[in-house]
This record gives sequence, structure tokens and C-alpha cells, in this order.
Amino acid sequence: GNSVTQMEGPVTLSEEAFLTINCTYTATGYPSLFWYVQYPGEGLQLLLKATKADDKGSNKGFEATYRKETTSFHLEKGSVQVSDSAVYFCALGGNTPLVFGKGTRLSVIA
Amino acid sequence: DGGITQSPKYLFRKEGQNVTLSCEQNLNHDAMYWYRQDPGQGLRLIYYSQIVNDFQKGDIAEGYSVSREKKESFPLTVTSAQKNPTAFYLCATRTGVTDTQYFGPGTRLTVL
Repeated sequence: GNSVTQMEGPVTLSEEAFLTINCTYTATGYPSLFWYVQYPGEGLQLLLKATKADDKGSNKGFEATYRKETTSFHLEKGSVQVSDSAVYFCALGGNTPLVFGKGTRLSVIA
Repeated sequence: DGGITQSPKYLFRKEGQNVTLSCEQNLNHDAMYWYRQDPGQGLRLIYYSQIVNDFQKGDIAEGYSVSREKKESFPLTVTSAQKNPTAFYLCATRTGVTDTQYFGPGTRLTVL
């Protein structure tokens, strides 16, 4: 069945560092791919999405490209801020409920 | 003010009591979902409903029950049969057009 694997955390970075959180997937067909962010004590917020191969989703300086050849959707940001500290979830779409990765906790220190 | 409402934010119950968590939406979305999140863990699907008066079990339905009598509402009851109910519960919705899910703010349930 469909599944998502994302890198284990926690990830700790200094402010202004480059961020990559890896996400790979297994799926039949060509599902949409998502990144969600969860701040402490809150629900998940949609960060970005891509609906087909080679699409790039972007929002708030974060980017991810739907790579069909490597079945990946890695999240990147060029310069992280303390306010980016949160848990990030990669997810796989389709006609059933989204399939989520286990989440990666990011801590950014000043 | 549009969106997904989960109330209350924090809920405390004694062991052995049933408790119902509320989820209301005014987005006119067709599908609704309940997830459970334990500290430091990912999301686990409890139940979901794609249309009114119909719902399906998710991965961890045992000890939980739901109803979907109205499009706007999808309450979750945590029964005394749920062995370890203390967790953060998240409700989500989805339109019938795209597969994007939108989440409510969550309810933190603590069973004493």
C-alpha cells in the first residue's frame, strides 16, 4: 500500500542555516504530495503541496519538488528562523485519507 | 469566522467515563476525519466519514465511536473500552474536489 518515510528527528539548526528534511514515498498512481507544519499545542497547517511530477510547491520560503524518478518530496528552506521551530509532516494524497509520515521535529536556535 | 472548531481545548475525565469530543465545520466540506496523536508521535487515523450518515474505521477504531448526522458535525466518543485514552485528538476535513485536508486546533484529553 501507500506509505511515506521521512527523516527522523530531531533536527537542530542555527538561525540562517539551510534546511533539508527528506521525504520519500511509495504509491500506486500519481498522488498529490503535501507538507504540513505543527506548532506546539496546535493542529496541523498546510505548508505546501504539489499535485503532479516536477511541480514545485512553495510557501513562506519553504520549497519542495515532486520527483517521480526518485519518489521524493524533500522540504528545503534557504535560511531558517527561530519561528520555524515546529514539527513537519510529509503526506501522500489520493482518494483515501492522507497517509502521513511520522513527523520531523525542527529546533532552530538563535 | 470560517473554519473547524474543536471544543474544548483541554478536557479532563475520570477513568471509566465515556467522553465526547466535538468537531464542527462551516467550510461545507464533505469528508471529516479523526486522528489521535501521542507525545512525540505521528498521527493515527481513528475514524473518517466521506458523506453524511456514513463512516469507516481507521487504523485504531477500537474503543471509539462516531456519528455523522449532519454535514457540519462529526463528534467522537471515547469509551471506557479505550485502554489508554490520554492523547491529543485532531479533527480534519476535506472538500470533495481536492485531497487537501484541513485541521482543527485539537483537543487534549487527559484521563485521570
